[in-house]
Amino acid sequence: SQQGEEDPQALSIQEGENATMNCSYKTSINNLQWYRQNSGRGLVHLILIRSNEREKHSGRLRVTLDTSKKSSSLLITASRAADTASYFCATDALRYKLSFGAGTTVTVRA
Amino acid sequence: DAGITQSPRHKVTETGTPVTLRCHQTENHRYMYWYRQDPGHGLRLIHYSYGVKDTDKGEVSDGYSVSRSKTEDFLLTLESATSSQTSVYFCATGTGAYEQYFGPGTRLTVT
Repeated sequence: SQQGEEDPQALSIQEGENATMNCSYKTSINNLQWYRQNSGRGLVHLILIRSNEREKHSGRLRVTLDTSKKSSSLLITASRAADTASYFCATDALRYKLSFGAGTTVTVRA
Repeated sequence: DAGITQSPRHKVTETGTPVTLRCHQTENHRYMYWYRQDPGHGLRLIHYSYGVKDTDKGEVSDGYSVSRSKTEDFLLTLESATSSQTSVYFCATGTGAYEQYFGPGTRLTVT
């Protein structure tokens, strides 16, 4: 079964707006990661946040982690057309193995 | 996708035929994984390998087998393909329980 669940399933925003998506998970984790998948391509790692971290930034990405609520959020600021993709959270509750959610599909309109 | 290739990239096969998908890496990563991606399910782990000849099952391993005779190659075999195995298959590599690196995927259609 999937460990992570993203919300919303789909998101449509105007270029320049911010996009926020959430991930909830069920069991304790060591790390939580976010990946991006462009249409027809493999997943690409975006950012990793450790269980003892609350917030992390990478360029226009901001990730938060609340282990008490077992949830994480990914914020993409000042979105661009190139940000159109599906975004997945992944947790490593299982040794050496990641468990992925079903993903959030983000469409950035010009 | 650099460093990880999958072959074939597309395949159409008939029910009941055996199919082998190949993943090749040049990263010398210890861990290799096979996932399938279906609408509404995200990525689900089929099998993974933590070293040459060391493999283990994932959450959807029924109907699949794997082999890893060299660090760089990880093969996924469908012994007798079924329509429920129509999917996009991704190979990934990693150095441990951290980020994974994905190949470009193989689109398999079982008719």
